[in-house]
Amino acid sequence: DTEVTQTPKHLVMGMTNKKSLKCEQHMGHRAMYWYKQKAKKPPELMFVYSYEKLSINESVPSRFSPECPNSSLLNLHLHALQPEDSALYLCASSQSGDHTDTQYFGPGTRLTVL
Amino acid sequence: GQNIDQPTEMTATEGAIVQINCTYQTSGFNGLFWYQQHAGEAPTFLSYNVLDGLEEKGRFSSFLSRSKGYSYLLLKELQMKDSASYLCALFRGYALNFGKGTSLLVTP
Repeated sequence: DTEVTQTPKHLVMGMTNKKSLKCEQHMGHRAMYWYKQKAKKPPELMFVYSYEKLSINESVPSRFSPECPNSSLLNLHLHALQPEDSALYLCASSQSGDHTDTQYFGPGTRLTVL
Repeated sequence: GQNIDQPTEMTATEGAIVQINCTYQTSGFNGLFWYQQHAGEAPTFLSYNVLDGLEEKGRFSSFLSRSKGYSYLLLKELQMKDSASYLCALFRGYALNFGKGTSLLVTP
């Protein structure tokens, strides 16, 4: 099983809303990632969690707040977003975060901010 | 992705062979990955190179030359379902740094 699941698939929110994106994997992977992908652009790294600890924050605005409740779950809490934050948000996981590990991506959450 | 270059678009015929090139301007990376991404879907892993040379996985092969700053993905026996975006990515330090991707259209 190499499945990473993400919910919801689609999300529309206003600039004053608070919402959360969820990601789950049951492959025993210890590294999890959030990427943001705008239309016709490549995925861009946002956060890396390694062994449930935030190891990398790629200078992401504080209106995006990641959380790793346990080794299988990764959340992304959203608050006071801007329309330019509309994008496909991809979650990925890998065995341990080593460069030899394949990253497996979830199907993404397509976010629209009005 | 600013240091990773790929052609924007390519077109090839069903049953043919196509080579998608990727050049980069950095020497400090651990490995080079190729991913396939269909429109609106997640990237899926295709191939991975750490050392120079050719890695073959069924219809897909990937080649790396670190000294030349160059990689390619070779797709054989093209099928219509191979129409997708192909992303070259360097693993540096802790995560993947993607190129802009090559949109491949396979025609009958």
